[in-house]
Amino acid sequence: DAGITQSPRHKVTETGTPVTLRCHQTENHRYMYWYRQDPGHGLRLIHYSYGVKDTDKGEVSDGYSVSRSKTEDFLLTLESATSSQTSVYFCAISESDLGTEAFFGQGTRLTVV
Amino acid sequence: AQTVTQSQPEMSVQEAETVTLSCTYDTSESDYYLFWYKQPPSRQMILVIRQEAYKQQNATENRFSVNFQKAAKSFSLKISDSQLGDAAMYFCAYRSSWDSGYALNFGKGTSLLVTP
Repeated sequence: DAGITQSPRHKVTETGTPVTLRCHQTENHRYMYWYRQDPGHGLRLIHYSYGVKDTDKGEVSDGYSVSRSKTEDFLLTLESATSSQTSVYFCAISESDLGTEAFFGQGTRLTVV
Repeated sequence: AQTVTQSQPEMSVQEAETVTLSCTYDTSESDYYLFWYKQPPSRQMILVIRQEAYKQQNATENRFSVNFQKAAKSFSLKISDSQLGDAAMYFCAYRSSWDSGYALNFGKGTSLLVTP
């Protein structure tokens, strides 16, 4: 299995508080991604990174920020959590070859109350 | 981002039978890959099969095969000899070099139920 770990696995937080999710990889893959999964929507891209300190927005980036200070770590921050951000969050990693497999973390279930 | 459509929210198949999951996509690109991922109740995302757009031959992985129709922009997944362990959510995904950092663009998924 690919070395990719998300933490925490579960979190409950209150509306208005900041939350940070961590993705850690041991594969030295260049690309890292954050997705959110909601019923009826599949997985939607929030942000991605193509190298250390190189990040860009995805389809649903409003209310989220990311940082990548090291190759192995990609952090997702909800600056002020809202109930609409209750979701399952997945981190994924990939090399830059178009046909290579993207490997996914186990997911983080975040509940904003 | 390219649009990926899975028109079947739920499908059901009996054990040992064959089922086909549909996927269509919208693109003007010529160089891309298509993937099917499986997500069992454990939530883990597992690659089932992949297809390169330039290859006319349909990909096959054991009981899983695809019917790739490039002109029709269709990429269906056929599961033969269905097993109880095949019960899962299945996602079709598109990837191109033009999209966000080679990110996968997913359909909304098809939930597959396998009955004994």
